[in-house]
Amino acid sequence: GQQLNQSPQSMFIQEGEDVSMNCTSSSIFNTWLWYKQDPGEGPVLLIALYKAGELTSNGRLTAQFGITRKDSFLNISASIPSDVGIYFCAAPETSGSRLTFGEGTQLTVNP
Amino acid sequence: GAGVSQSPRYKVAKRGQDVALRCDPISGHVSLFWYQQALGQGPEFLTYFQNEAQLDKSGLPSDRFFAERPEGSVSTLKIQRTQQEDSAVYLCASSRQGQSKAFFGQGTRLTVV
Repeated sequence: GQQLNQSPQSMFIQEGEDVSMNCTSSSIFNTWLWYKQDPGEGPVLLIALYKAGELTSNGRLTAQFGITRKDSFLNISASIPSDVGIYFCAAPETSGSRLTFGEGTQLTVNP
Repeated sequence: GAGVSQSPRYKVAKRGQDVALRCDPISGHVSLFWYQQALGQGPEFLTYFQNEAQLDKSGLPSDRFFAERPEGSVSTLKIQRTQQEDSAVYLCASSRQGQSKAFFGQGTRLTVV
């Protein structure tokens, strides 16, 4: 099946630093989604991307849909302690269909 | 409701016991998905409904897993004769028809002892 490769697996940063993570695939996708999951909770949708090259922001979060349609990037600026969690990229096989998830990036922010 | 609601939040089952997990999707969402999430992993697809029709059940790991959505709203995931490897978080998600943005519930953490 399709696989999404996320990197890095984990990050340990100081409060106030910027963060970058990415997701790559050997397959082309028409939509990329980024979710955040806190311990004991379900994934929460952060950003949805629909066009190659698209750059979308949600507060301190910015995500980009790669030009090749095989990758996506998520940046967090000026990190704060509540940014701690696991960030997942996800993509549907077709519009409205099941999602394939990456393995996640565990983010730790030290105050 | 405002979001996807799942119950119970936690379930401990003895090996061999049957369990039923409930999902109440966002009102008006036609599509409903079940995912299984093992510790330290991303969610893995189990099954998909459009209204009451189960259109894809290719992710169900065995015939002990069964899902239904009889009236096109609430869905139940049933696991018969639970085994230790069934221990995981079971997530339900819903979306509008044709939309990829899926909204997840808090999940049910199943522990089989």
